[in-house]
Amino acid sequence: LAKTTQPISMDSYEGQEVNITCSHNNIATNDYITWYQQFPSQGPRFIIQGYKTKVTNEVASLFIPADRKSSTLSLPRVSLSDTAVYYCLVGDSQNTDKLIFGTGTRLQVFP
Amino acid sequence: GAVVSQHPSRVICKSGTSVKIECRSLDFQATTMFWYRQFPKQSLMLMATSNEGSKATYEQGVEKDKFLINHASLTLSTLTVTSAHPEDSSFYICSARSLRGKGRVLGDDGYTFGSGTRLTVV
Repeated sequence: LAKTTQPISMDSYEGQEVNITCSHNNIATNDYITWYQQFPSQGPRFIIQGYKTKVTNEVASLFIPADRKSSTLSLPRVSLSDTAVYYCLVGDSQNTDKLIFGTGTRLQVFP
Repeated sequence: GAVVSQHPSRVICKSGTSVKIECRSLDFQATTMFWYRQFPKQSLMLMATSNEGSKATYEQGVEKDKFLINHASLTLSTLTVTSAHPEDSSFYICSARSLRGKGRVLGDDGYTFGSGTRLTVV
């Protein structure tokens, strides 16, 4: 499973756009990139998943460059409720069931 | 959407006793469930993969005799922490994967997590 590297923490203010970048230099051809969000004392929650280029849903956007060695989760206009830990995961979920979490990025949103 | 129910949400037990945590998939069947442990300010650590009708697969360094896993049906997996000690105090989280996840029909990977169990051993 490809190892991921993310910033340990980030700060932002309400209304700003937040971009969290994840490095995954050893990503394999069949690997997808998935982001999860975790609030304190809760289980993680799926945010978005992509393979290449750009994916957008009602919550976030995921940007993946052509070489797929990194990805950026973009949260538009964050609010206080977006304060959480964000995990980037890389793996071939078609052929393996394991989800291995890295260190994650602790996002703190200030008023 | 898929829901995973985990109980209890909090439990305090005395050192040396055993504690059972339940994980149920409410609206889907899950042949595979996962158990994680999370210490404060740390990431989730996969402990074991629970397979319905067969033995669980434990990650390296996880004592299978201490953390007993039973997956007797397609909707229920249990984790029993035996002879608990204060160092077992942690946040335990289960996850289940719906079969639709493998087909990426809905655009996600099909994993749903329980709300976690805070275990405190005194």
